Amino acid sequence: ETGVTQSPTHLIKTRGQQVTLRCSSQSGHNTVSWYQQALGQGPQFIFQYYREEENGRGNFPPRFSGLQFPNYSSELNVNALELDDSALYLCASSVLHEDNEQYFGPGTRLTVT
Amino acid sequence: GENVEQHPSTLSVQEGDSAVIKCTYSDSASNYFPWYKQELGKRPQLIIDIRSNVGEKKDQRIAVTLNKTAKHFSLHITETQPEDSAVYFCAASVGSGNTGKLIFGQGTTLQVKP
Repeated sequence: ETGVTQSPTHLIKTRGQQVTLRCSSQSGHNTVSWYQQALGQGPQFIFQYYREEENGRGNFPPRFSGLQFPNYSSELNVNALELDDSALYLCASSVLHEDNEQYFGPGTRLTVT
Repeated sequence: GENVEQHPSTLSVQEGDSAVIKCTYSDSASNYFPWYKQELGKRPQLIIDIRSNVGEKKDQRIAVTLNKTAKHFSLHITETQPEDSAVYFCAASVGSGNTGKLIFGQGTTLQVKP
């Protein structure tokens, strides 16, 4: 098991609502990347945070936003939820510029009804 | 944009046989190629990875080969066991250096029949 934790484990929201997901990175890691994994598909890169700034973004709309805190933990916020946002949201921590290996958290299962 | 193609999408083998999963990638700057095993409802678990400065890596029954010229890499599992049944994902790093960003393949569902 990695030292990366995520909360909550499961979440049910209604279309149009907003959600915040949380991730605590592994000790010593300075970078958090977020991925969306729809059922039956591979994880897709949403964005990455390094030193409290967004450091790269995948093909996701602006209603997906994030934060990183001084202790390197991170939040993913999704506004105006759509049915297609239902997925497993994974965060992964790493050490930028030193190694590409990603340490994944257990994920948050989001269901939008 | 960057892309990783993975084949086959499903693979069924008899216990004890070998399994091979293949991936191709598009970003010539990619330098890190991990393979993950994912069981239903769980996080992807890193099983082996390879970096661009080597062509092959082995860990017990699992091996990975990399051909940078052709931009493809493969996972080989020998002496398969029922507990190897899961979804396997390949991935490739994005951009040069250690960017910490990965592009994943679509996954291969491996079934090992006892």
